[in-house]
Amino acid sequence: SQQGEEDPQALSIQEGENATMNCSYKTSINNLQWYRQNSGRGLVHLILIRSNEREKHSGRLRVTLDTSKKSSSLLITASRAADTASYFCATVIYNQGGKLIFGQGTELSVKP
Amino acid sequence: DSGVTQTPKHLITATGQRVTLRCSPRSGDLSVYWYQQSLDQGLQFLIQYYNGEERAKGNILERFSAQQFPDLHSELNLSSLELGDSALYFCASSQNSGNTIYFGEGSWLTVV
Repeated sequence: SQQGEEDPQALSIQEGENATMNCSYKTSINNLQWYRQNSGRGLVHLILIRSNEREKHSGRLRVTLDTSKKSSSLLITASRAADTASYFCATVIYNQGGKLIFGQGTELSVKP
Repeated sequence: DSGVTQTPKHLITATGQRVTLRCSPRSGDLSVYWYQQSLDQGLQFLIQYYNGEERAKGNILERFSAQQFPDLHSELNLSSLELGDSALYFCASSQNSGNTIYFGEGSWLTVV
């Protein structure tokens, strides 16, 4: 079964608006990573946040991690049409060798 | 460009056949992971190798096998192919567990 669940499954916003995607997971993690996938293409790594970190930024991306609630969020500020893609959170479960377990993803559509 | 190279990019083959997917990890990365992405199952972890040794196994069918060679490249062998094996197969690599995992562009397999 999938470790992570993402919410919402689909999100449609206008260019310039902020997009927030949430991810919940079930077991203790080593780290959590967010990826973007354009339709039928490869997975592009966005950001890694470790279990002892609470927030990280990268350009227009802001990721938070709440280990007590077993949840993470990805915020994309000032969205652009080029941000249209599927976004996945993936967890590296503590003490299980380093493999990523993916959620089902959020489909983001940014309308110009 | 993630630095992970996968070949072939596209492959069409008949049911019952056998194919080999090849992956070259990023320079210096010792861990290699294989994932399957299909519409109904999402992103499923198949198997992980670390420096030539199998590290973790996921939802990999008995008809599938993989190995990592001394030069760290990896191959995923899929045999007795069925229509349901049609999917996008990803290879990923990382330096070690707990590090960022980078994905290749994937190999599209269509079984007809």
